[in-house]
Amino acid sequence: ELKVEQNPLFLSMQEGKNYTIYCNYSTTSDRLYWYRQDPGKSLESLFVLLSNGAVKQEGRLMASLDTKARLSTLHITAAVHDLSATYFCAVDMKGSNYKLTFGKGTLLTVNP
Amino acid sequence: DVKVTQSSRYLVKRTGEKVFLECVQDMDHENMFWYRQDPGLGLRLIYFSYDVKMKEKGDIPEGYSVSREKKERFSLILESASTNQTSMYLCASSSDGADLGARRAYEQYFGPGTRLTVT
Repeated sequence: ELKVEQNPLFLSMQEGKNYTIYCNYSTTSDRLYWYRQDPGKSLESLFVLLSNGAVKQEGRLMASLDTKARLSTLHITAAVHDLSATYFCAVDMKGSNYKLTFGKGTLLTVNP
Repeated sequence: DVKVTQSSRYLVKRTGEKVFLECVQDMDHENMFWYRQDPGLGLRLIYFSYDVKMKEKGDIPEGYSVSREKKERFSLILESASTNQTSMYLCASSSDGADLGARRAYEQYFGPGTRLTVT
């Protein structure tokens, strides 16, 4: 059974600071995804990481994937209030091309 | 842009009622999914479908059934609603990659969600 663990689950940070969210998964995977969810809204795709060493950046967010360590990170640079949201990582298990297993999510609050 | 729509944003039903949640996608995606989202539990897969009339159980199928008669539409059915089915229900769709290539294949696009309350 594929398990996906995120930490921290809650993150309160000040504007301008840097921080990293970690996503560990338990079995070999083809792909790793990062999603953002604003309160009361649905999930929005941020990044798709397809291979070992993959790095994607969008604005103040950068995601990376280490398939050997079964670890992905979402790094936040110089946080701003607009980044406040819940961030989910999701993994699909090798050989299962359709199903994603999600982490529990990290609730990020960026304070002025 | 991919568009996934759900029939209702908010729904209130009584215990024992039969409930239908509808999901429609406009991108000719092969795969469609139903999740429920609960605080502290994240997203859990209820059922998914990889083709018309095909379905597979997810992690928590008990108390639910699904129907996919047309490629663009995937319905979630609560045969006899119970209070423990009060939740946010999210529908998603994805391509199998044949026409998009590996980069966008299997990436799931989500609908706005239906918040169901069973009283």
